[in-house]
Order: sequence, then C-alpha cells, then structure tokens
Amino acid sequence: EVQVVESGGGLVQPGGSLRLSCVVSGFTFSDHYMDWLRQAPGEGLEWLGRSRNKANSYTTEYAASVKGRFTISRDDSKNSLYLQMNSLKAEDTAVYFCARVQLKLGPPVAYGMDVWGQGTTVTVSS
Amino acid sequence: AIRMTQSPSSFSASTGDRVTITCRASQDIRNSLAWYQQKPGKAPEFLIFAASTLQSGVPSRFSGSGSGTDFTLTISSLQSEDFATYYCQQYYSYPVTFGQGTKVEIK
Repeated sequence: EVQVVESGGGLVQPGGSLRLSCVVSGFTFSDHYMDWLRQAPGEGLEWLGRSRNKANSYTTEYAASVKGRFTISRDDSKNSLYLQMNSLKAEDTAVYFCARVQLKLGPPVAYGMDVWGQGTTVTVSS
Repeated sequence: AIRMTQSPSSFSASTGDRVTITCRASQDIRNSLAWYQQKPGKAPEFLIFAASTLQSGVPSRFSGSGSGTDFTLTISSLQSEDFATYYCQQYYSYPVTFGQGTKVEIK
C-alpha cells in the first residue's frame, strides 16, 4: 500500500523552529519528486516547496513566502522527506502536508500531487 | 507567480445535477492543470491532470477541459460523496499555485 505519513507538528513560539518529517512506503521514494504544502485554518492550499529526485540532483524549489526560512531535505535511505522551519510566525499556523509528485519519466514532467499524507498540525503562538 | 482564480467560490446543488466549476489562469499555462477534491478534515485527492486526464480510480462522471487560460471541471451527475471543496492547480511554472477553492454544498 502506498502511504505517506507526516509527523513533528506541535505548538511552537513565534521565532522558534520546528522540523517536520514525512516517511513513505509502498513506492520507490528515490524515484520521486516530493512536495510540502500547507493549509491554514479555513483557508485554501498553499504549495511550499519541492525536492527533486536523485536523478535531478535533489534540487529544490520554494514558495516566496517561505524561501530563506524553510528548508526541504530528504534521506532516500530512510524513505524520508523533511521540512526544517525557522523563524516561525503566527501566519505559519496550518496543517502541513507531504505529497508525492506524479512524474512522467524521460525528460521529467511533474504533474500534480497524487499521494498525500494526512497532515500534521503546526501552531505558532505564544 | 501565476494567479489561479476559481468561480464560483461556492454554490448549492442537488444530487443528480450536472455541475461545472471554472478555473482561470493569469497567463497561458498550456494544459498544465490539475484538479483536486478535498473533504473536511481530509487530505486532498488527485482527480485530473493535464487538464483533462482522469487519474486512475476516479469515477468517469468527473471530467476536465480547457487549455491556455480557461479550464473547467464538470461532474456529470452529482453524487452524495461529491459534496466537497474543489481546487485547481497549475504546474506550468514555479511556484506551483492553487485556486482559492470552490465549495459544493447540498441544496
């Protein structure tokens, strides 16, 4: 069974840091691009960033709202994706999702996110 | 960043209705568009990619169309399990961006 499971959420004070983890199973993690997204309470979906696969040098992309504060990394040996979040603000309060990117091989074409985790909640408050 | 605008933001419909949701991109995105369904408290589910290609396992009552800047998601006969919020998303260029969502409610 293909599965994505996030963890690491919790309550953190403004200015603090938190590291989210995402462990996957049921597919070859190293072949895939992976994304982090979030959804603030009552709001829509916001894409945060992407980790490309080894074949594409593990390069990353970020949304402007988190670039320089958030860092995406991965450990293919552990089938894991990470989101290091620094300098957290109240507006970072959200459910954070990890998702697999559907990828067409050959010259890679990244489509949408076809497998999502259940999300982990981050609350930034004093 | 490419702005995605959905309309309407919400509407009410009845089981069996044919419903259409529109998504407009602020610039040409070819057919680089996906649609998702999200129910309260759940992760989104991937419905359609490349504007009109149904993801495996998605019921055939869902269909997508469009290219360039204007896209539609159609549900041919609304079922009880289809009451949810729907999002479009462009993957033509970074950053990936979503529409604000369209909530389909029971009339």
